[in-house]
Amino acid sequence: NAGVTQTPKFRVLKTGQSMTLLCAQDMNHEYMYWYRQDPGMGLRLIHYSVGEGTTAKGEVPDGYNVSRLKKQNFLLGLESAAPSQTSVYFCASSYQDYGYTFGSGTRLTVV
Amino acid sequence: KNQVEQSPQSLIILEGKNCTLQCNYTVSPFSNLRWYKQDTGRGPVSLTIMTFSENTKSNGRYTATLDADTKQSSLHITASQLSDSASYICVVSVGAGSYQLTFGKGTKLSVIP
Repeated sequence: NAGVTQTPKFRVLKTGQSMTLLCAQDMNHEYMYWYRQDPGMGLRLIHYSVGEGTTAKGEVPDGYNVSRLKKQNFLLGLESAAPSQTSVYFCASSYQDYGYTFGSGTRLTVV
Repeated sequence: KNQVEQSPQSLIILEGKNCTLQCNYTVSPFSNLRWYKQDTGRGPVSLTIMTFSENTKSNGRYTATLDADTKQSSLHITASQLSDSASYICVVSVGAGSYQLTFGKGTKLSVIP
């Protein structure tokens, strides 16, 4: 039972480059989320989805886009990476208000 | 503004000792409070979840308490082990939507032999 799988685990981008982070869950959860974690700060919600084909903005959505074409996958895109987007990104999924499961994270560095 | 404050920021204890971590929140409306453990380089893992009506919940050597009147919670770790070294994050759920979570900055616990 894999839970929540994030790929890649590490990535270095140059300013202006684009990339997509992939999150996959095998628990049939309706809700999926993308968070970023920065030193000295709590996790902050970037975007979330309450079901296949739906997405919504979280607390810090600027510079990111997301898609939920399949229930099990939630993609986070950076169209033009900036150094301020250097962070650790976590994907999570949940059935309802309980039972959040987090992935192991993607460490992204933008130079 | 919804806020979750944790103390202390960091803590060092000897293996086998007990410790208590604190969490104060100003979140409204309150739905539930969670404690997570985050090992270095890993994602957070749920330890306990408490609703408004629950004032204590245990998970092995971890016991969380909740005082909804004073908006305070604590996480007590008994007989600490080296594997307890991690960051412990207090998270409060706002209202009925599970996407409305407010995260604390965490307490970094180091257990030394």
